[in-house]
Amino acid sequence: DTAVSQTPKYLVTQMGNDKSIKCEQNLGHDTMYWYKQDSKKFLKIMFSYNNKELIINETVPNRFSPKSPDKAHLNLHINSLELGDSAVYFCASSPQGGIRNTEAFFGQGTRLTVV
Amino acid sequence: AQSVTQLDSHVSVSEGTPVLLRCNYSSSYSPSLFWYVQHPNKGLQLLLKYTSAATLVKGINGFEAEFKKSETSFHLTKPSAHMSDAAEYFCVVSGGGASKIIFGSGTRLSIRP
Repeated sequence: DTAVSQTPKYLVTQMGNDKSIKCEQNLGHDTMYWYKQDSKKFLKIMFSYNNKELIINETVPNRFSPKSPDKAHLNLHINSLELGDSAVYFCASSPQGGIRNTEAFFGQGTRLTVV
Repeated sequence: AQSVTQLDSHVSVSEGTPVLLRCNYSSSYSPSLFWYVQHPNKGLQLLLKYTSAATLVKGINGFEAEFKKSETSFHLTKPSAHMSDAAEYFCVVSGGGASKIIFGSGTRLSIRP
Protein backbone atom coordinates (compact mmCIF):
# COMPACT_ATOMS: atom_id res chain seq x y z
CA ASP A 1 0.00 0.00 0.00
CA THR A 2 1.41 3.34 -1.03
CA ALA A 3 1.34 5.81 1.86
CA VAL A 4 1.30 9.03 -0.20
CA SER A 5 0.35 8.67 -3.83
CA GLN A 6 0.34 11.30 -6.55
CA THR A 7 -1.11 11.15 -10.01
CA PRO A 8 0.00 11.54 -12.67
CA LYS A 9 3.70 10.77 -12.37
CA TYR A 10 4.51 12.61 -15.58
CA LEU A 11 2.60 15.47 -17.18
CA VAL A 12 3.53 17.18 -20.42
CA THR A 13 1.29 20.03 -21.54
CA GLN A 14 1.27 23.20 -23.58
CA MET A 15 1.50 26.73 -22.30
CA GLY A 16 -1.83 28.22 -21.38
CA ASN A 17 -3.46 24.93 -20.47
CA ASP A 18 -5.06 24.12 -17.12
CA LYS A 19 -4.01 20.94 -15.32
CA SER A 20 -4.49 19.19 -12.00
CA ILE A 21 -2.31 16.93 -9.88
CA LYS A 22 -3.96 14.68 -7.35
CA CYS A 23 -2.59 13.53 -4.01
CA GLU A 24 -3.93 11.05 -1.52
CA GLN A 25 -2.52 9.76 1.75
CA ASN A 26 -3.69 6.70 3.65
CA LEU A 27 -1.71 7.39 6.83
CA GLY A 28 -4.45 9.20 8.72
CA HIS A 29 -2.34 12.34 8.89
CA ASP A 30 -3.83 15.75 9.62
CA THR A 31 -1.43 17.87 7.57
CA MET A 32 -0.62 17.80 3.88
CA TYR A 33 1.80 19.84 1.78
CA TRP A 34 2.75 20.71 -1.74
CA TYR A 35 6.40 21.33 -2.57
CA LYS A 36 7.98 22.46 -5.81
CA GLN A 37 11.44 21.18 -6.77
CA ASP A 38 13.15 23.26 -9.41
CA SER A 39 15.83 22.23 -11.87
CA LYS A 40 18.53 22.87 -9.27
CA LYS A 41 16.85 20.40 -6.90
CA PHE A 42 15.78 23.11 -4.47
CA LEU A 43 12.59 22.15 -2.61
CA LYS A 44 10.28 25.02 -1.69
CA ILE A 45 7.05 24.73 0.20
CA MET A 46 4.00 26.01 -1.67
CA PHE A 47 1.03 25.15 0.52
CA SER A 48 0.20 23.45 3.76
CA TYR A 49 -3.24 22.25 4.83
CA ASN A 50 -4.23 21.06 8.28
CA ASN A 51 -7.54 19.20 8.48
CA LYS A 52 -8.70 20.70 5.16
CA GLU A 53 -7.82 24.22 6.27
CA LEU A 54 -5.16 26.27 4.49
CA ILE A 55 -2.30 27.01 6.89
CA ILE A 56 0.51 28.16 4.63
CA ASN A 57 0.46 29.87 1.26
CA GLU A 58 4.00 30.79 0.32
CA THR A 59 3.75 33.62 -2.20
CA VAL A 60 2.59 31.28 -4.89
CA PRO A 61 0.88 32.85 -7.96
CA ASN A 62 -2.87 32.65 -7.72
CA ARG A 63 -2.85 30.51 -10.87
CA PHE A 64 -2.09 27.72 -8.38
CA SER A 65 -5.12 26.67 -6.36
CA PRO A 66 -4.99 23.82 -3.86
CA LYS A 67 -8.15 22.00 -2.93
CA SER A 68 -8.63 19.66 0.00
CA PRO A 69 -11.99 17.84 -0.19
CA ASP A 70 -11.09 15.87 2.94
CA LYS A 71 -8.01 15.51 5.08
CA ALA A 72 -6.76 12.53 3.07
CA HIS A 73 -6.64 14.45 -0.22
CA LEU A 74 -4.89 17.59 -1.37
CA ASN A 75 -5.12 18.35 -5.07
CA LEU A 76 -3.26 21.06 -6.94
CA HIS A 77 -4.88 22.84 -9.85
CA ILE A 78 -2.81 25.09 -12.09
CA ASN A 79 -4.38 27.56 -14.51
CA SER A 80 -2.74 29.13 -17.56
CA LEU A 81 0.42 27.10 -17.33
CA GLU A 82 3.71 28.88 -18.03
CA LEU A 83 7.13 27.58 -19.02
CA GLY A 84 8.46 28.46 -15.55
CA ASP A 85 5.99 26.08 -13.96
CA SER A 86 8.03 23.16 -15.26
CA ALA A 87 9.31 21.35 -12.18
CA VAL A 88 8.76 18.31 -10.03
CA TYR A 89 5.89 18.73 -7.59
CA PHE A 90 5.89 16.70 -4.40
CA CYS A 91 2.96 16.05 -2.14
CA ALA A 92 3.65 15.18 1.50
CA SER A 93 1.82 14.51 4.73
CA SER A 94 2.68 14.53 8.41
CA PRO A 95 0.72 13.72 11.58
CA GLN A 96 0.72 17.34 12.76
CA GLY A 97 2.48 19.98 10.77
CA GLY A 98 5.26 21.88 12.52
CA ILE A 99 5.04 19.81 15.65
CA ARG A 100 8.03 18.01 17.08
CA ASN A 101 8.78 14.38 16.23
CA THR A 102 6.86 14.47 13.00
CA GLU A 103 8.65 13.80 9.79
CA ALA A 104 6.88 14.22 6.50
CA PHE A 105 6.12 11.35 4.16
CA PHE A 106 6.50 12.18 0.50
CA GLY A 107 4.88 11.01 -2.66
CA GLN A 108 6.97 9.99 -5.65
CA GLY A 109 6.57 13.35 -7.33
CA THR A 110 4.91 14.61 -10.50
CA ARG A 111 7.25 15.82 -13.22
CA LEU A 112 5.47 18.64 -15.00
CA THR A 113 6.86 19.82 -18.31
CA VAL A 114 5.30 22.82 -19.99
CA VAL A 115 6.12 23.22 -23.68
CA ALA B 1 12.02 31.77 12.17
CA GLN B 2 13.73 28.63 10.99
CA SER B 3 16.31 28.00 8.33
CA VAL B 4 18.78 25.36 7.34
CA THR B 5 22.05 25.69 5.44
CA GLN B 6 23.84 22.88 3.68
CA LEU B 7 27.40 24.00 3.36
CA ASP B 8 28.39 21.95 0.31
CA SER B 9 26.42 21.71 -2.90
CA HIS B 10 28.51 18.79 -4.11
CA VAL B 11 30.66 16.22 -2.28
CA SER B 12 32.71 13.57 -4.05
CA VAL B 13 34.37 10.68 -2.21
CA SER B 14 35.96 7.39 -3.18
CA GLU B 15 34.12 4.16 -2.52
CA GLY B 16 35.04 2.81 0.90
CA THR B 17 36.05 6.19 2.36
CA PRO B 18 34.08 8.20 4.93
CA VAL B 19 31.26 10.55 4.02
CA LEU B 20 30.57 13.90 5.69
CA LEU B 21 27.67 16.08 4.61
CA ARG B 22 27.40 19.30 6.56
CA CYS B 23 24.26 21.02 7.81
CA ASN B 24 23.74 24.05 10.05
CA TYR B 25 20.35 25.18 11.28
CA SER B 26 18.75 28.21 12.81
CA SER B 27 15.62 27.96 14.90
CA SER B 28 13.80 30.04 17.50
CA TYR B 29 12.50 26.83 19.01
CA SER B 30 13.99 23.48 19.88
CA PRO B 31 13.99 21.99 16.41
CA SER B 32 13.33 18.61 14.97
CA LEU B 33 15.94 17.80 12.35
CA PHE B 34 15.90 15.28 9.56
CA TRP B 35 17.98 14.01 6.68
CA TYR B 36 16.25 12.86 3.51
CA VAL B 37 17.80 11.19 0.47
CA GLN B 38 16.64 11.46 -3.13
CA HIS B 39 18.01 9.05 -5.69
CA PRO B 40 17.89 10.12 -9.35
CA ASN B 41 14.33 10.50 -10.61
CA LYS B 42 12.98 9.13 -7.35
CA GLY B 43 11.00 10.46 -4.41
CA LEU B 44 12.28 11.49 -0.98
CA GLN B 45 13.18 8.91 1.60
CA LEU B 46 13.76 9.59 5.29
CA LEU B 47 17.28 8.61 6.39
CA LEU B 48 17.10 9.61 10.04
CA LYS B 49 15.59 12.11 12.46
CA TYR B 50 16.51 13.95 15.64
CA THR B 51 13.67 14.77 18.01
CA SER B 52 15.36 15.71 21.31
CA ALA B 53 16.23 12.21 22.45
CA ALA B 54 19.80 10.95 21.91
CA THR B 55 22.01 13.49 20.17
CA LEU B 56 23.67 10.80 18.06
CA VAL B 57 21.06 9.43 15.70
CA LYS B 58 21.44 6.29 13.64
CA GLY B 59 19.58 5.91 10.40
CA ILE B 60 19.23 3.52 7.52
CA ASN B 61 22.03 2.28 5.27
CA GLY B 62 24.74 2.94 7.86
CA PHE B 63 24.22 6.70 8.07
CA GLU B 64 24.24 8.62 11.30
CA ALA B 65 24.08 12.25 12.38
CA GLU B 66 25.00 14.13 15.52
CA PHE B 67 23.00 17.03 16.88
CA LYS B 68 25.31 19.69 18.34
CA LYS B 69 23.36 22.51 19.88
CA SER B 70 26.44 24.61 20.67
CA GLU B 71 27.42 24.53 17.00
CA THR B 72 23.84 24.51 15.63
CA SER B 73 24.90 21.65 13.43
CA PHE B 74 23.47 18.32 12.33
CA HIS B 75 26.10 16.79 10.07
CA LEU B 76 25.49 13.47 8.31
CA THR B 77 28.22 10.84 8.29
CA LYS B 78 28.89 7.34 7.08
CA PRO B 79 32.10 5.41 7.78
CA SER B 80 32.42 3.80 4.36
CA ALA B 81 30.77 5.03 1.17
CA HIS B 82 29.10 2.65 -1.24
CA MET B 83 28.34 3.28 -4.89
CA SER B 84 24.62 3.06 -4.12
CA ASP B 85 24.94 6.10 -1.81
CA ALA B 86 25.23 8.42 -4.81
CA ALA B 87 22.20 10.69 -4.52
CA GLU B 88 20.97 14.11 -3.42
CA TYR B 89 20.78 14.63 0.35
CA PHE B 90 18.58 17.17 2.07
CA CYS B 91 18.81 18.47 5.62
CA VAL B 92 15.40 19.48 6.96
CA VAL B 93 14.16 21.39 9.99
CA SER B 94 10.67 21.53 11.42
CA GLY B 95 8.96 22.65 14.57
CA GLY B 96 7.62 25.71 16.27
CA GLY B 97 3.99 25.23 15.37
CA ALA B 98 4.35 26.96 12.04
CA SER B 99 3.31 23.88 10.10
CA LYS B 100 6.44 24.26 8.06
CA ILE B 101 9.03 21.75 7.10
CA ILE B 102 12.00 23.65 5.68
CA PHE B 103 14.51 22.03 3.31
CA GLY B 104 18.14 22.88 2.83
CA SER B 105 19.38 23.43 -0.69
CA GLY B 106 20.68 19.87 -0.98
CA THR B 107 24.09 18.24 -1.32
CA ARG B 108 24.85 16.00 -4.26
CA LEU B 109 26.98 13.06 -3.19
CA SER B 110 29.10 11.41 -5.88
CA ILE B 111 31.03 8.19 -5.29
CA ARG B 112 34.21 7.46 -7.25
CA PRO B 113 35.03 3.81 -7.95
